[in-house]
Amino acid sequence: KAGVTQTPRYLIKTRGQQVTLSCSPISGHRSVSWYQQTPGQGLQFLFEYFSETQRNKGNFPGRFSGRQFSNSRSEMNVSTLELGDSALYLCASATTNSQTSWDNEQFFGPGTRLTVL
Amino acid sequence: DQQVKQNSPSLSVQEGRISILNCDYTNSMFDYFLWYKKYPAEGPTFLISISSIKDKNEDGRFTVFLNKSAKHLSLHIVPSQPGDSAVYFCAAANNNDMRFGAGTRLTVKP
Repeated sequence: KAGVTQTPRYLIKTRGQQVTLSCSPISGHRSVSWYQQTPGQGLQFLFEYFSETQRNKGNFPGRFSGRQFSNSRSEMNVSTLELGDSALYLCASATTNSQTSWDNEQFFGPGTRLTVL
Repeated sequence: DQQVKQNSPSLSVQEGRISILNCDYTNSMFDYFLWYKKYPAEGPTFLISISSIKDKNEDGRFTVFLNKSAKHLSLHIVPSQPGDSAVYFCAAANNNDMRFGAGTRLTVKP
């Protein structure tokens, strides 16, 4: 079974631009979560999508948004990029069907490293 | 606001001994707790979890203990192996959010 894939793996943008990252979950997984990892803030939860609906959301500004398609693939968009958005963006998929997003094991992708210049 | 804290940035133990990684949280609304392991250049790997209705969960060499009154959880690895050397993150979650600790780098020496 193929793992979680993320594209692109590396990306360089400049301030003010927008970026879209893609995540393909493990086949059969309907939950996709996005995380940001930085040296200063560590690992932070962005949001979780389940059946094309945002089910949970962390404490990030509205510049960070996402969506999920009917095949469970998910995209994350960051608009008006800031230097502080430079980070490793991870997505994770899970099989959970329950209201609780965390009771099934999450499988992480390798991440997309975004550099904002 | 650091709602989840791992106060030890690093820990070094001898192979075969017990590794104890600690994590404290401040928000009593968290009802699910998880531990992840992360190797360099890889995404985190889920290790073990525990819900707030339990105080212990065991999976092979890994045991997580939850002390709700102290808002404290710990991960015990027994016996520790060199392959366990990695950064360990604890996370606390409820239905709406998940917060991570800063991580503890565990080094297991042969």
